Amino acid sequence: GENVGLHLPTLSVQEGDNSIINCAYSNSASDYFIWYKQESGKGPQFIIDIRSNMDKRQGQRVTVLLNKTVKHLSLQIAATQPGDSAVYFCAENTGNQFYFGTGTSLTVIP
Amino acid sequence: DTEVTQTPKHLVMGMTNKKSLKCEQHMGHRAMYWYKQKAKKPPELMFVYSYEKLSINESVPSRFSPECPNSSLLNLHLHALQPEDSALYLCASSQDRGTLLTQYFGPGTRLLVL
Repeated sequence: GENVGLHLPTLSVQEGDNSIINCAYSNSASDYFIWYKQESGKGPQFIIDIRSNMDKRQGQRVTVLLNKTVKHLSLQIAATQPGDSAVYFCAENTGNQFYFGTGTSLTVIP
Repeated sequence: DTEVTQTPKHLVMGMTNKKSLKCEQHMGHRAMYWYKQKAKKPPELMFVYSYEKLSINESVPSRFSPECPNSSLLNLHLHALQPEDSALYLCASSQDRGTLLTQYFGPGTRLLVL
């Protein structure tokens, strides 16, 4: 499959701080990317997406940045809250296929 | 409404049992997916249905048998499973197959094979 990897498997942040979760991908032809949040015992939940013709997209407290030059994707969470504790997956859409990264476990320290 | 539902939430079965997992969506999506997820790992694609036809089978053992009775329902029939098949089984759907289409996931069925 495609190589969609994350730089850090775990991340701990203080409540109220900003979090940055990174993802590298290898297929320059990928045209769509999604960030999913998966809480313990639940299915992945869509957070935000971005198309390859964009380099930034903002949602509520979240921002996704896409750097096609270095094939890098990041998810920024502003004012991280305890409810943000979860595993975050990036997913890359190439043709008809979706490829998931290995996941980053985010722990928010109260 | 972006809800995908799955039943049961939990399932314990022996290696000689036959059971089925069910998935339902009412978003009018024409593509539905089964994924297997082991602890601390990303979801692994098993099957893809597009317009109620199986379009991808990712070399899944025959003890897993998918079925798509209609455009809203997706089943996964289980028979003679092994303990290593214990995992979270996720169903997802998207508007269609192809690019630029978000997949929405259900909560999963936690399966334990004894």
